[in-house]
Amino acid sequence: EAQVTQNPRYLITVTGKKLTVTCSQNMNHEYMSWYRQDPGLGLRQIYYSMNVEVTDKGDVPEGYKVSRKEKRNFPLILESPSPNQTSLYFCASRPGNPNTEAFFGQGTRLTVV
Amino acid sequence: QKEVEQNSGPLSVPEGAIASLNCTYSDRVSQSFFWYRQYSGKSPELIMSIYSNGDKEDGRFTAQLNKASQYVSLLIRDSQPSDSATYLCAVNGNNRLAFGKGNQVVVIP
Repeated sequence: EAQVTQNPRYLITVTGKKLTVTCSQNMNHEYMSWYRQDPGLGLRQIYYSMNVEVTDKGDVPEGYKVSRKEKRNFPLILESPSPNQTSLYFCASRPGNPNTEAFFGQGTRLTVV
Repeated sequence: QKEVEQNSGPLSVPEGAIASLNCTYSDRVSQSFFWYRQYSGKSPELIMSIYSNGDKEDGRFTAQLNKASQYVSLLIRDSQPSDSATYLCAVNGNNRLAFGKGNQVVVIP
């Protein structure tokens, strides 16, 4: 089954404790992206990647890191999480052609206390 | 001006009526336009995509694009309770997919 898989689905952590949210897709998509979704603010792009070893900042990259060492994986790293990073996070992927559908993972609900 | 704007508040429509959603975008070089549906707590799923000016119909859904006015809309005909969700307008340009804040639609039986 074609899918984008995020882990974990739910995470509660403490301020300053490094964490990684994984994202993996099995559709051989070139493009992958991370979004956060907050009430009243909609989906905002954090980082995106056009292909392996190619990443770029989105609208709200501060406090986040990403890497794209393999085509299928695009982990989101929070080196020192803060409470303002409490949010619902989505990973998405699509083929290289921009005129194609983006597929979303199930979401990761992160709470930083 | 925000990149993608959906200004309408929650929309309540009776079952069987037409729901109309609007979206404007700021980047004139935008190439592709999408409507996603998102149920509460779930991930967005694609309903419609449109790339050229005019109308595109798929079942009960019609997307309309006017690049000169930088405007894209979605019509939902014969609205059903299962259509109750948040609808997100998304615009692709410069290799970035930007989303509006979404419009909540409530279909009243």
